[in-house]
Amino acid sequence: AQKITQTQPGMFVQEKEAVTLDCTYDTSDQSYGLFWYKQPSSGEMIFLIYQGSYDEQNATEGRYSLNFQKARKSANLVISASQLGDSAMYFCAMRERYYGNNRLAFGKGNQVVVIP
Amino acid sequence: DGGITQSPKYLFRKEGQNVTLSCEQNLNHDAMYWYRQDPGQGLRLIYYSQIVNDFQKGDIAEGYSVSREKKESFPLTVTSAQKNPTAFYLCASSIESTENSPLHFGNGTRLTVT
Repeated sequence: AQKITQTQPGMFVQEKEAVTLDCTYDTSDQSYGLFWYKQPSSGEMIFLIYQGSYDEQNATEGRYSLNFQKARKSANLVISASQLGDSAMYFCAMRERYYGNNRLAFGKGNQVVVIP
Repeated sequence: DGGITQSPKYLFRKEGQNVTLSCEQNLNHDAMYWYRQDPGQGLRLIYYSQIVNDFQKGDIAEGYSVSREKKESFPLTVTSAQKNPTAFYLCASSIESTENSPLHFGNGTRLTVT
C-alpha cells in the first residue's frame, strides 16, 4: 500500500508568489518523521525540511515551512516568495520508527515551474 | 567538504553484462541506501545497510546485489538478472537509522542498458 500520496499535477507559479504542495501519508506508527526533498533537473536530491510526529510546532527553514496536520495525516510544504531556482520536482517522504525498519518511503513528487 | 560521491555519472552497458555502481561517503554515517528512480516516478528502495558487514533487501532487490565491507563504501551491482535495469540510481546515507535522521544523497548515476 502506498504510504505517501502526492497527487497534484504539475504547477506553474508566478515568481515571488507562494506555493503549497500537498502530501498525505499513511502509518500506524506513533513515532515517525516527515521530510521534503527538492530534485532539480540535474538530478540530485536536496533535503529541505523535517517534521517529527511529536513536534507541536510546524517546521520552518528559511522560505520553506511545513503545514503539519497530524489528525489529517497531511504534511504540506509551503514555499514562500518563489524564485526561478525553485523550479524542480519536490518529494515528500516518511520514515517510521517501528514499521519499515526506518526506511525512507517517497511519494511520486510534485513538479513546480516558476515563471517570471 | 564532506559528502557522497557516486561514479560514474553516466554508464552504458550491453544487455547481459553485470555492472557495478560506486558510492563513497566521508560523512562518517552508519547507514547507507540505494534507491532507483524511473522517469516521472518517486524513489524506490533497492538495498540498505545500517552497519558494516550487514545489509537488508529493500522493496525491489531482485536482480541487484550489494556489499558493505567498509563504512565509507556501499557499491551496487546490477546483474544480468535485473529485467529492466535502465534507470537513475541514487545512493544515500544517514547518520543513523532513526526516524528523525534525514538522508543525504549523492548526485546519482544514470545507467543505460541496450
